[in-house]
Amino acid sequence: EAQVTQNPRYLITVTGKKLTVTCSQNMNHEYMSWYRQDPGLGLRQIYYSMNVEVTDKGDVPEGYKVSRKEKRNFPLILESPSPNQTSLYFCASSPWTSVGSGTQYFGPGTRLLVL
Amino acid sequence: KNEVEQSPQNLTAQEGEFITINCSYSVGISALHWLQQHPGGGIVSLFMLSSGKKKHGRLIATINIQEKHSSLHITASHPRDSAVYICAVTFTNTGNQFYFGTGTSLTVIP
Repeated sequence: EAQVTQNPRYLITVTGKKLTVTCSQNMNHEYMSWYRQDPGLGLRQIYYSMNVEVTDKGDVPEGYKVSRKEKRNFPLILESPSPNQTSLYFCASSPWTSVGSGTQYFGPGTRLLVL
Repeated sequence: KNEVEQSPQNLTAQEGEFITINCSYSVGISALHWLQQHPGGGIVSLFMLSSGKKKHGRLIATINIQEKHSSLHITASHPRDSAVYICAVTFTNTGNQFYFGTGTSLTVIP
């Protein structure tokens, strides 16, 4: 089954404790991306990657790191989480098309609470 | 400035009604996407448009590049259409970065 998986689905942590949210896709997609969703602000892009070893900042990259060492995986790293990073996080992947990123496939979301 | 605006923010309709959700953007785009977010939180991509019109079942998406405007229409609405509908674009001046509207919350009453 074609899918994007994220782990964990729910996470409660404390300020400053490094964490990683994993994202994996099995569709051989070139484009992968991380988003956060907050009430009143909607979805905002954190980082994206157009292929292995190619990553770019989105709208809100501060406090986050990513890497794309393999095509299928795109982990999101919070080196020193803070309460303002409490949010719902989505990973997505899409094939590459003539106009850029194609139809996106979203993971189920990771709900993060930073105390 | 790269901006995406959606209207209305909230919409309540009776079952069977024809629904229109609008999305406007500020500058030239490479593509526009319509997304659906279910009450449980999952997000599904409905359409990707760079020109013209697309139809899938009761859903129709149109885009007018000159007017910088797109519409999502739902014909014969049903309670299972209740969801948040989100417009997302990639602007030609910022490459492959996505920008999102704040979403339209649709409730269809039986």
